[in-house]
Amino acid sequence: GENVEQHPSTLSVQEGDSAVIKCTYSDSASNYFPWYKQELGKRPQLIIDIRSNVGEKKDQRIAVTLNKTAKHFSLHITETQPEDSAVYFCAASKAYRGTDKLIFGTGTRLQVFP
Amino acid sequence: EPEVTQTPSHQVTQMGQEVILRCVPISNHLYFYWYRQILGQKVEFLVSFYNNEISEKSEIFDDQFSVERPDGSNFTLKIRSTKLEDSAMYFCASSRTGGSNEKLFFGSGTQLSVL
Repeated sequence: GENVEQHPSTLSVQEGDSAVIKCTYSDSASNYFPWYKQELGKRPQLIIDIRSNVGEKKDQRIAVTLNKTAKHFSLHITETQPEDSAVYFCAASKAYRGTDKLIFGTGTRLQVFP
Repeated sequence: EPEVTQTPSHQVTQMGQEVILRCVPISNHLYFYWYRQILGQKVEFLVSFYNNEISEKSEIFDDQFSVERPDGSNFTLKIRSTKLEDSAMYFCASSRTGGSNEKLFFGSGTQLSVL
């Protein structure tokens, strides 16, 4: 069935360093790949997304890359800050008609130490 | 910025009891969803709803679950006879229209505890 794998499960970095989280999806028909940030006890918040017709997208300190051939996509956070500490989830969907369900990865707990 | 709102924020119930979780999607949104997240695990899709009917449901969404849009603003999830394993955070979500350009917005969740 549809599956999204995410690595690493935990990631600890020093403030100012970069963080990279990687995801692999199984369904080659997937065409939409959002990333969500979830702080403890809060709702998932969309931070960036990418569609299959684009290879890379950047928004300030956050960037996402997509390799359709290899079926993987990555989140890059540069110049990390303590407030970046949270659980990050990748997801994939096939949004051809209607918004298809999101299949989430298992999450990465990012800790940024000052 | 408009938000998806959910009530209650916490719900404690006895096993076997019925619960109704309520959601008010963003007003001009047409697609509605329920997801759940068991503590420490990933977010899982339950059901999608469009044009007053279920578009898709997961294997989690069995006969004990139902959804309804009773009026123009609310979207509810009913669990008919709760089980211990139904304990989770339930998130409602909505998006404006279909198509690959629409983003999904999550509510703040209802933490359901089944005792």
